[in-house]
Amino acid sequence: DGGITQSPKYLFRKEGQNVTLSCEQNLNHDAMYWYRQDPGQGLRLIYYSQIVNDFQKGDIAEGYSVSREKKESFPLTVTSAQKNPTAFYLCASIGTGIGYTFGSGTRLTVV
Amino acid sequence: GQQLNQSPQSMFIQEGEDVSMNCTSSSIFNTWLWYKQEPGEGPVLLIALYKAGELTSNGRLTAQFGITRKDSFLNISASIPSDVGIYFCAGPMIQGAQKLVFGQGTRLTINP
Repeated sequence: DGGITQSPKYLFRKEGQNVTLSCEQNLNHDAMYWYRQDPGQGLRLIYYSQIVNDFQKGDIAEGYSVSREKKESFPLTVTSAQKNPTAFYLCASIGTGIGYTFGSGTRLTVV
Repeated sequence: GQQLNQSPQSMFIQEGEDVSMNCTSSSIFNTWLWYKQEPGEGPVLLIALYKAGELTSNGRLTAQFGITRKDSFLNISASIPSDVGIYFCAGPMIQGAQKLVFGQGTRLTINP
């Protein structure tokens, strides 16, 4: 079945460490997105990519980086510059239809 | 920029009750989407609305696209325990890139 796979499901980061969240899709979608979810704040856009080798900052890009070397993959790196990284991270993609398809999320916790 | 205000933020109801939530914006939207997110999972699309005044059902869920194109409503009839979750409204940003803007969500809790 086609879908979006995020890994790992749970991730723990030490202070000052960079970590990378994986997002892979087999839907043949061009556009991919990363959202951050905090309690009571809905979904906030971090980065998005409409095509391979191209991406744009969203509303809260500071402290994050992405790459889009393959259509299927859009990994997100949470850098040490992100001072409050504990959150639930969601990856999504969209094809020619309406609305996103979401992955099942990665919960990142700073320890 | 475009923002969606969703209310209520949370609801605590008894099983079997009907639920109503809404989403408003100061901007016009041409499409309204309603998503449901279960604990620890990503949101799943429930209903999409494409025309002002449109009323669409998906089982016990009914959603309406407001006439002014600045609001939308979601109703759940005869709630059951599996309705628990967070419900989000969403709409596409005018600027394109197929970006969606989301409401803050309505957290639904059901007492059996």
